[in-house]
Amino acid sequence: GNSVTQMEGPVTLSEEAFLTINCTYTATGYPSLFWYVQYPGEGLQLLLKATKADDKGSNKGFEATYRKETTSFHLEKGSVQVSDSAVYFCALESGGSNYKLTFGKGTLLTVNP
Amino acid sequence: NAGVTQTPKFQVLKTGQSMTLQCAQDMNHEYMSWYRQDPGMGLRLIHYSVGAGITDQGEVPNGYNVSRSTTEDFPLRLLSAAPSQTSVYFCASSYSKVVLYGYTFGSGTRLTVV
Repeated sequence: GNSVTQMEGPVTLSEEAFLTINCTYTATGYPSLFWYVQYPGEGLQLLLKATKADDKGSNKGFEATYRKETTSFHLEKGSVQVSDSAVYFCALESGGSNYKLTFGKGTLLTVNP
Repeated sequence: NAGVTQTPKFQVLKTGQSMTLQCAQDMNHEYMSWYRQDPGMGLRLIHYSVGAGITDQGEVPNGYNVSRSTTEDFPLRLLSAAPSQTSVYFCASSYSKVVLYGYTFGSGTRLTVV
């Protein structure tokens, strides 16, 4: 079956540090990959997505590249801000369902001033 | 637009009680889903719907019922609450294929069963 594995958190960084949150997946076929962000007390928001191999999703300074050869979709940001403190979820859609997402367990990021 | 609205935001139930979590969207989205979020577990799909009158089970459907009589509403019913159903529940909707548009999530209902 489909599964998503994210790096264990929590992750604590200082402002302007470089961020990487690792995500690897197992899926049949050619999944689409997503990163969602959940700010405290809120629902999840789509951060970025990639639908085929070698695609790069980007938004708000965050980037992730769909690597089929390593089955990975790592999230990166060059310089984090305090406002980036949130829980980040990697997710995939596969099998032609078009509406069922499989989520990772989430990674809590805290950015200190 | 209000987006996806969930009510209530917080609820405490006694074991064995029943209740309905409400979810409404005003974006004319076809697809709607219910997820539960538990610490260290990520989000797990409970039930989903691809349109009015059509529902199906996700990966953790036991103890929950849904119906979709209108495009806008997708209530989740707990038939006989159990402590294992203590969780945060999210409703989500999508205009069409998730791969194209992604889901819009509500702000969640935090349920405690004692």
